[in-house]
Amino acid sequence: QQQVKQSPQSLIVQKGGISIINCAYENTAFDYFPWYQQFPGKGPALLIAIRPDVSEKKEGRFTISFNKSAKQFSLHIMDSQPGDSATYFCAASWETSGSRLTFGEGTQLTVNP
Amino acid sequence: GAVVSQHPSRVICKSGTSVKIECRSLDFQATTMFWYRQFPKQSLMLMATSNEGSKATYEQGVEKDKFLINHASLTLSTLTVTSAHPEDSSFYICSARLNRDTEAFFGQGTRLTVV
Repeated sequence: QQQVKQSPQSLIVQKGGISIINCAYENTAFDYFPWYQQFPGKGPALLIAIRPDVSEKKEGRFTISFNKSAKQFSLHIMDSQPGDSATYFCAASWETSGSRLTFGEGTQLTVNP
Repeated sequence: GAVVSQHPSRVICKSGTSVKIECRSLDFQATTMFWYRQFPKQSLMLMATSNEGSKATYEQGVEKDKFLINHASLTLSTLTVTSAHPEDSSFYICSARLNRDTEAFFGQGTRLTVV
């Protein structure tokens, strides 16, 4: 059973546009929600993370919006750049450090120049 | 962030043989390491959690006798795929953390191809 559902599967955005990726979770015990960026042939790298006591977190061009009642969270990439083209994974964990992660299915983002 | 290194980055082995993948934390002592598996264009699935000096905890559906995990030191964990078959071909990724209150950092992954 997929506990974290991610959409869309793929996304094409023009340079300078906003990329939005959505995730929904089922387990209310999840306490930590990170987003990872993965380039082909590489391991995932942490982008930004949020805990359920906060509704929004922003770091540079990346923003997480969190809706606890709806059990949904999303990643917004402002001013998207071709270098942002990668696969993005949302994840969830019930450990404070986010170590035993349950990942979403991934979104292949392409930013056209 | 902290550095986690995997070796080898790519390996090809013959069906029926065993292959060992190493995961090292280079600049911190990792009390816990995690092993994930990722099929092409799919998500990462947690295989097992290994704590230094104790037996690994495997996720449901993961064969512990096929995927042997050893975490003998605070900087090294190994995953051995025994009697490998073509269906074991995958991208194996480890992550490591200092303790429960710190972030886990991922290695660069190991591409295993069984022919």
